[in-house]
Order: sequence, then C-alpha cells, then structure tokens
Amino acid sequence: DAEITQSPRHKITETGRQVTLACHQTWNHNNMFWYRQDLGHGLRLIHYSYGVHDTNKGEVSDGYSVSRSNTEDLPLTLESAASSQTSVYFCASSVQRGTEAFFGQGTRLTVV
Amino acid sequence: LAKTTQPISMDSYEGQEVNITCSHNNIATNDYITWYQQFPSQGPRFIIQGYKTKVTNEVASLFIPADRKSSTLSLPRVSLSDTAVYYCLVGRNNAGNMLTFGGGTRLMVKP
Repeated sequence: DAEITQSPRHKITETGRQVTLACHQTWNHNNMFWYRQDLGHGLRLIHYSYGVHDTNKGEVSDGYSVSRSNTEDLPLTLESAASSQTSVYFCASSVQRGTEAFFGQGTRLTVV
Repeated sequence: LAKTTQPISMDSYEGQEVNITCSHNNIATNDYITWYQQFPSQGPRFIIQGYKTKVTNEVASLFIPADRKSSTLSLPRVSLSDTAVYYCLVGRNNAGNMLTFGGGTRLMVKP
C-alpha cells in the first residue's frame, strides 16, 4: 500500500546543530507540506512544495529549509537548532487537485 | 485564504449526535470545505469534504448552507473513540492548494 513515512520518529539534538527530518511518500503526490505542532496547539505550516524543484515558505519558515529533488521526498532541515524549535513535526502530501492530504506519523524533536 | 473560527472545545456523551460548526465568512467562490480529525500523537486524518448543501460518508455528514459562510460537521452516535481534535479548513480544490489549519475543536466524549 502507498504510504507516507517520517524518520526519525524521535530525535534529541543540541542547540546549534543542523538537523534534517526525512519525509518520503509513495503516492506520487505533487504537493508536500511540513507542519509543526506545539503542545496543545494546532498545526502551523513551515514549508510546502507543489512539485520537483518547487519550494515555498509557510507562516513559520524562519530557521527551516526544504529541498525537492524528486517527487517522493521533502526533507526538512533546521539549519541551527534552537530550543524554540522543540516541537512535533508532521509531513503531509496531497494530489495536485484536492484538499485531501495524507499525514505521516510525526517526528518529535527536542532541542536541548 | 479564508479564515475559520471553531469552538475551542465540546463535550458529549456516548451515543449522542455531535455537531461542530465552523464559521468562514470570507470564503471564496472556488473554496471547498474540508474537515480533519486528529488523535493524540498522530497526524490529522481526512474526514469529509464539501462545496455546498450536504455531503455524507460512512463517518460523518457535512452541512453547508446556501451562503457557505459556515459549515457543520455532524458525527452520528459518537463513541469514546471519537474523542479527538477536529479541524475545519477552507481552500481551493485545485493545483497549488495550501492547507492552513486553525486551532480546531477538541471533542471529549464521555461514557
């Protein structure tokens, strides 16, 4: 079955380190998204992509970057991790024309 | 992007019907209304989508009045497992749609 997977599921890193969270989907979806969710809050959009080599900033993009070299993957990089980036990160994908998105299981990132 | 407003939380009991209303006063002509469900420690899951009138699937119904400035998600005969956060999203069902989540409604179903 097609799916979307995130790795790692849990990560602890130190302030200032570069961290990359992986997201891989096998639906061949054009649209991919990264969100962060802080305890007790909704999801906030970090970056999104509508296709290969396309990337766009979301509402909370500072300190994050993404690249889209193929359809299946959209890795999220924290260039210099900060404690304020401690959060749960969700990746999602959707077909080009539609608002039904499929979400990964999330990555819990702790920056110490 | 159309902004949505939902109640922060709702309580219900097993077996009852639950209606969660979402306001989206500045919805655009091309916008669709989509609802997601999120359980703790999981990613959101698509429930239902509609454009106008009523849509029903095996999980829920979605009621949209003629002016489309609000919508109501209806969950028939809820169970404890329906305890979750429910998000209402408004966006275009075309290429380049950007999914923006609001705060959601935290539904607690009690025995």
